[in-house]
Formats: sequence, structure tokens, C-alpha cells
Amino acid sequence: GAVVSQHPSWVICKSGTSVKIECRSLDFQATTMFWYRQFPKQSLMLMATSNEGSKATYEQGVEKDKFLINHASLTLSTLTVTSAHPEDSSFYICSAQQGGSYNSPLHFGNGTRLTVT
Amino acid sequence: KQEVTQIPAALSVPEGENLVLNCSFTDSAIYNLQWFRQDPGKGLTSLLLIQSSQREQTSGRLNASLDKSSGRSTLYIAASQPGDSATYLCAVQSTGNQFYFGTGTSLTVIP
Repeated sequence: GAVVSQHPSWVICKSGTSVKIECRSLDFQATTMFWYRQFPKQSLMLMATSNEGSKATYEQGVEKDKFLINHASLTLSTLTVTSAHPEDSSFYICSAQQGGSYNSPLHFGNGTRLTVT
Repeated sequence: KQEVTQIPAALSVPEGENLVLNCSFTDSAIYNLQWFRQDPGKGLTSLLLIQSSQREQTSGRLNASLDKSSGRSTLYIAASQPGDSATYLCAVQSTGNQFYFGTGTSLTVIP
């Protein structure tokens, strides 16, 4: 089945530094990937839609200059949290829909636990 | 804006019981509805995908139904097992190509 790999699975960084999270579709091409943030015991909050070869579409309230998204190929999207602060600590999850088809399920990475100290 | 609600928020049942999880959505303009399972600290695993033109999907002990006109879906789990303990999320894909998630139902199956 379709696999989405997310790396790293957890990261601890100091306040003010930047962290890059990778999301790869291992056995399918994904023209569109989605980035979510999840707080404890809450559902997923869509941050942005990542489009291969073009700019990401950010949800209202998400700072595009803080959460940089790059979708350079059909199998890789990256999320960079710039100048991280403790309030950015959260669980970040990416997903991709195989073939971009509405008939295909959404596949998720295993998430990245970010802790900013 | 689409709103997705899941009831109950938490559920605890003894092993072997059949159970139903509920999902409701406010806008019927959807492409599909998907049920996921999330284990603590992990990503989401897709369980079932129901296209907007379909009424139900089955996979093993799981059966999901969809009534698009009333904005409802149910996930039926037969003969529950302790390994079924997890948070179950439903999500709809709107015709605007966005995904909207419910807040989840935390299921505990007691051995």
C-alpha cells in the first residue's frame, strides 16, 4: 500500500533556531501534500496545502513566513519552522493523496514531535 | 465552512462488544468521507474510504456507512478487541479539495 514517510519523528531544538521536517511519498507520486498540526487530545488542524512546483496555500492564521513549505518534487515536501519558539512545540503531521484522486484515501506520515526549549 | 463532529468523545467497552462511532458533517458537498485510526503519538492510519456516491464500505470487522443527504456516517466495529483501542477520526474531503477532520472518539476496549 501507499506509504508516507516523515522525518524526523521527534526533534528538540532551542528557541530561535529553525527545524526542517521532511515528508516523502515512498511508492507513489503526490502532486499535493498537506501539513497539519495537532495539539494534545485535539484533532488535526490543517496548516497548509503543499503543491508541487508552486507556492503552498496557507490556512487563515498560519504565518507563511514562519512555516516555510517547499514541494520541490512529486515525492517530497518539507516544512521548515523558522525561528522556533516554545509555543511552536506541537505534533506536526503530513499527508498525501495517492494520485491526487478523490477515489484514493489520504495517507499520513507518522508525525514529528517538535519540542522547543 | 464545513464542520465535522464526532460523538461520543470517549467510549469504553468490554472486549467482544459491538460498537458504533458517529460522525456528522454540516455540508453535504463532499467527494468522500474517510475513517482513520490514530494510536498515541503516531500518525493516522486509513481504515475505510467511502465515496460520496457510496452508502457503505466494509473491511474485516469494520463497516462504515454514509448518508450524505443527512450529513452522517457511522463506523461499526464488530467483536471489539483490546487492540482496537485508539482514537478514531473521521474526515470529509470537500468539493473544494480540503479535508475537514472531526475531533475524534477515544476508544478503550477492556480485556
